[in-house]
Amino acid sequence: DIQMTQSPSSLSASVGDRVTITCRASQSISRYLNWYQQKPGKAPNLLIYAASSLQSGVPSRFSGSGSGTDFTLTISSLQPEDFATYYCQQSYSTPRTFGQGTKVEIK
Amino acid sequence: EVQLVESGGGLVQPGRSLRLSCTASGFTFGDYTMTWVRQAPGKGLEWVGFIRSKAYGGTTEYAASVKGTFTISRDDSKTIAYLQMNSLKTEDTAVYYCTRDPGGYSTSWYYFDYWGQGTLVTVSS
Repeated sequence: DIQMTQSPSSLSASVGDRVTITCRASQSISRYLNWYQQKPGKAPNLLIYAASSLQSGVPSRFSGSGSGTDFTLTISSLQPEDFATYYCQQSYSTPRTFGQGTKVEIK
Repeated sequence: EVQLVESGGGLVQPGRSLRLSCTASGFTFGDYTMTWVRQAPGKGLEWVGFIRSKAYGGTTEYAASVKGTFTISRDDSKTIAYLQMNSLKTEDTAVYYCTRDPGGYSTSWYYFDYWGQGTLVTVSS
């Protein structure tokens, strides 16, 4: 199974900050990497697919990059509605696996 | 508008069975792979398994943790995906989400673009 490791597990940031979350796969997954945002009590929401493609309706302050084993999710200017938990997920092979999540909290 | 609505969750005793349903609308259900993802209380997301569209054989794949006890099926005429859960254990307690994956149909990439609201399954005596 491909293991996905996110860092950090949590972070504190202020509105307007640039935030970067990293995700590392235990083997190469090409660009089969997706990012989701989840708010408490809600279902996850797709932000980025294929490592860097922005899902329709997602604000352009979200961006993704990377290929192979190392990926990043960047929020260029953190907004109040962005405080949430973020998960990466590989779709290169089954079983599909998620990272453990990164909780973004208000500083 | 794409909608996925899960139902069938509840409290069940260990060793018993439960069947979850995911009723879809707003898209051509039969063209898509449907996936189940679960989330134990306070924990992260765990992929449970999926069923491919009939165009791709309608085949299924499962996480090792549920293989042999959970079964995913679909009824394209009713636009419903099912998750049959047998021999339930306390560690199966989670919110279960139904998701849509456009991979293989409208794109060569695989991801979960729509999610239901989830249904809570509690396994306890």
